[in-house]
Amino acid sequence: GQSLEQPSEVTAVEGAIVQINCTYQTSGFYGLSWYQQHDGGAPTFLSYNALDGLEETGRFSSFLSRSDSYGYLLLQELQMKDSASYFCAVSRSGSARQLTFGSGTQLTVLP
Amino acid sequence: KAGVTQTPRYLIKTRGQQVTLSCSPISGHRSVSWYQQTPGQGLQFLFEYFSETQRNKGNFPGRFSGRQFSNSRSEMNVSTLELGDSALYLCASRPAAGSGGGELFFGEGSRLTVL
Repeated sequence: GQSLEQPSEVTAVEGAIVQINCTYQTSGFYGLSWYQQHDGGAPTFLSYNALDGLEETGRFSSFLSRSDSYGYLLLQELQMKDSASYFCAVSRSGSARQLTFGSGTQLTVLP
Repeated sequence: KAGVTQTPRYLIKTRGQQVTLSCSPISGHRSVSWYQQTPGQGLQFLFEYFSETQRNKGNFPGRFSGRQFSNSRSEMNVSTLELGDSALYLCASRPAAGSGGGELFFGEGSRLTVL
């Protein structure tokens, strides 16, 4: 089967840096994605890693280590609007369009 | 470019009824997936359609079904509703099969309450 683990809650202050970890167990791993979801809103795509290393997109970066079955999302210069749920999701070879999501991390940014 | 549109946004049904939810993908997107989101189970994959054909199916009972039309619009149906079907049903689209490297474009969902 497949499983993903990520922390349920993270709290940080404005301007800080926060890292949300995700460990996964899946056969046929293809890639790791990250999504942000504000309360009552649509999940929005943040980043995707298929190869080991760091991908940077503005204030957000994502890292993947395939050998460790581990990835993280790094949020820098936190803003109040970053308060949301963050989901990691794996895709598998042969069904790359089907994502299996983690249970989500609720990030609260304090002033 | 308009985003993914789902209708209705909110609906209330009673046990035993059936419901049909609609999804219009982003123009030009041919792949449509459906996910169920609940507080207890998180986001779970229901099924995915491409070119009017179901390509993948999640672990849901046969009461959950879907289809895709030639214009890529999709519908999902849940028959004989149960209390546990109360959830946010999310539709997501992407341009083509195997494209986008994990990027799905989600609609805001249809929130179903079963009484």
